[in-house]
Amino acid sequence: AAGVIQSPRHLIKEKRETATLKCYPIPRHDTVYWYQQGPGQDPQFLISFYEKMQSDKGSIPDRFSAQQFSDYHSELNMSSLELGDSALYFCASSLGAGSLGEQYFGPGTRLTVT
Amino acid sequence: DQQVKQNSPSLSVQEGRISILNCDYTNSMFDYFLWYKKYPAEGPTFLISISSIKDKNEDGRFTVFLNKSAKHLSLHIVPSQPGDSAVYFCAAISGYALNFGKGTSLLVTP
Repeated sequence: AAGVIQSPRHLIKEKRETATLKCYPIPRHDTVYWYQQGPGQDPQFLISFYEKMQSDKGSIPDRFSAQQFSDYHSELNMSSLELGDSALYFCASSLGAGSLGEQYFGPGTRLTVT
Repeated sequence: DQQVKQNSPSLSVQEGRISILNCDYTNSMFDYFLWYKKYPAEGPTFLISISSIKDKNEDGRFTVFLNKSAKHLSLHIVPSQPGDSAVYFCAAISGYALNFGKGTSLLVTP
């Protein structure tokens, strides 16, 4: 079965640069969630989208923005990168919103900021 | 079919007392469990987690207990504070799936 696809899998950027992470949900899933997992930490919820509209907002810094497109893929845009942004970013997708439900998450994008 | 169940939709506790939030699961393949807290109009905030190889994890006022044989975990908050009033979600991971319960609304009264 098709799973959640994230690209790129690895990304190295320098401080103050920008990065764009992409997430392609499981076919027919209409909800996408973004999480940030720092080294040795558990996943922190960043933001979610349902039917291309932002549904929940968590601990996402103002330097980050995200959107969901008409084909339901989502992009997380990160600007003015800081060393502390180095983390594993994974997205998850599910069918339907209203509750956190059953989310399937992708393999993640490992971002390293130097 | 709901694989992670929080059977109590709401709980009311007096400030200073212990809050116990319960969670049951059906999938024995779950190997990692998390608790999230959610305020209205905000996204969930991670609280505490536990690996299936442990039976207890403590972080400040929060302790999570895991009983694998009963497929049950619980979150203890001691002492409870009014600021703890929120919806608490139990979640479990198996492979690439993250399953959330429907949440328990905790109200801590002064």
